[in-house]
Amino acid sequence: AQSVTQLGSHVSVSEGALVLLRCNYSSSVPPYLFWYVQYPNQGLQLLLKYTSAATLVKGINGFEAEFKKSETSFHLTKPSAHMSDAAEYFCAVRGYSGGYQKVTFGTGTKLQVIP
Amino acid sequence: DSGVTQTPKHLITATGQRVTLRCSPRSGDLSVYWYQQSLDQGLQFLIQYYNGEERAKGNILERFSAQQFPDLHSELNLSSLELGDSALYFCASSAGLAGNYNEQFFGPGTRLTVL
Repeated sequence: AQSVTQLGSHVSVSEGALVLLRCNYSSSVPPYLFWYVQYPNQGLQLLLKYTSAATLVKGINGFEAEFKKSETSFHLTKPSAHMSDAAEYFCAVRGYSGGYQKVTFGTGTKLQVIP
Repeated sequence: DSGVTQTPKHLITATGQRVTLRCSPRSGDLSVYWYQQSLDQGLQFLIQYYNGEERAKGNILERFSAQQFPDLHSELNLSSLELGDSALYFCASSAGLAGNYNEQFFGPGTRLTVL
């Protein structure tokens, strides 16, 4: 079975500060990992994905994530937070259920950006 | 705009009633997923269809059912509604099966309120 754990349901950062959102995964097969963002009153949107190529993955809006197999982590970072980054972020992992692939989402981390 | 459409946007109904939520995937996408998002349960995967066939089941109640039609649109039927069914219901689509390199594209959601 596969799962992801997002540490911290709420994270607050000052505008211009580093954003670090934590995600640890568990997977019995080589993982494919994703970060999605949900802005208020909208659906989820893919930020970036890791599919066993480069371990440092760059996404949209200046976000990036580093796959660390030894730490089973896939933390999301951005060097400088903008007010527009305030949203909920979901980490997700590809796994299998009943022989078919499925994607399991974490519980989400709400990012607050303080002016 | 993800290309995934969901109707209706909002739905208000009473306990014990039955409702149908509709989803049209992105053009060419064969997989459709249904998710429930509530404040207390977070984002929960309900069910996945691929080209008309059920492929994976998550935390879907027996009172809920879904289907995918030959034109690839999908409907989620919720019956004997309870107050706790009030939530945002998202539909997502992807080109192929979950995981792989296939990003899921999310619709804007249907907000269901059960009074």
